[in-house]
Amino acid sequence: QSALTQPPSASGSPGQSATISCTGTSSDVGGNNYVSWYQHHPGKAPKLIIYDVYKRPSGVPDRFSGSKSGNTASLTVSGLQAGDEADYYCSSYAGSNNCMVFGGGTKLTVL
Amino acid sequence: QVQLVESGGGVVQPGGSLRLSCVTSEFTFRTYGMHWVRQAPGKGLEWVSFIRFDGNNNYYADSVKGRFTISRDNSKNTLYLQMNSLRAEDTAVYYCAKDMFPWRDMGQGLIIGDYWGQGTLVTVSS
Repeated sequence: QSALTQPPSASGSPGQSATISCTGTSSDVGGNNYVSWYQHHPGKAPKLIIYDVYKRPSGVPDRFSGSKSGNTASLTVSGLQAGDEADYYCSSYAGSNNCMVFGGGTKLTVL
Repeated sequence: QVQLVESGGGVVQPGGSLRLSCVTSEFTFRTYGMHWVRQAPGKGLEWVSFIRFDGNNNYYADSVKGRFTISRDNSKNTLYLQMNSLRAEDTAVYYCAKDMFPWRDMGQGLIIGDYWGQGTLVTVSS
């Protein structure tokens, strides 16, 4: 059960956009449309912000968007705000092991 | 307001055991699968286990398979994680998380955590 690969860090200026990638294999990210993204502020519970690759739960602003191409999923945060500074994790169903797997996490800094 | 409240964390010696509980409210617990997710100090999130809504199917990460057991009591709206043969690398904050959609099993589009608890800290140390 290998973790999905995310860059350790990403950044952007307020008002700009930042994109975080999540790379897996054909057995997980590339093999299904069950990719989710989470925002995690230290000391708080993680928050689901994207599911099924691009869908947003109720209450999540449309500044957060998701996409996927092949074995790589991406999260884009537009109109960056100070409150977006957090750790972001992707997750996927891993069919080969019939389990769930997270990415290693990306720390997003708003400059 | 959906609530998930974990308890049972603490300090335990290597090789010891601990049972975590997650008491839930304000949703129809018996219709939703539930997950345990952990975060070791300075590390990322790690999926630990999932139990189907009726408790009939359980799934585990390789790192805990054979040592941890997930269970649920639908009459008490409570999720459990029995942790045996604990190791230093099991030290983490453990979160319970509700799956987003009812009636689903592994491979049927599970979505971890439209609601999460605040976590309980487990420290394995001599």
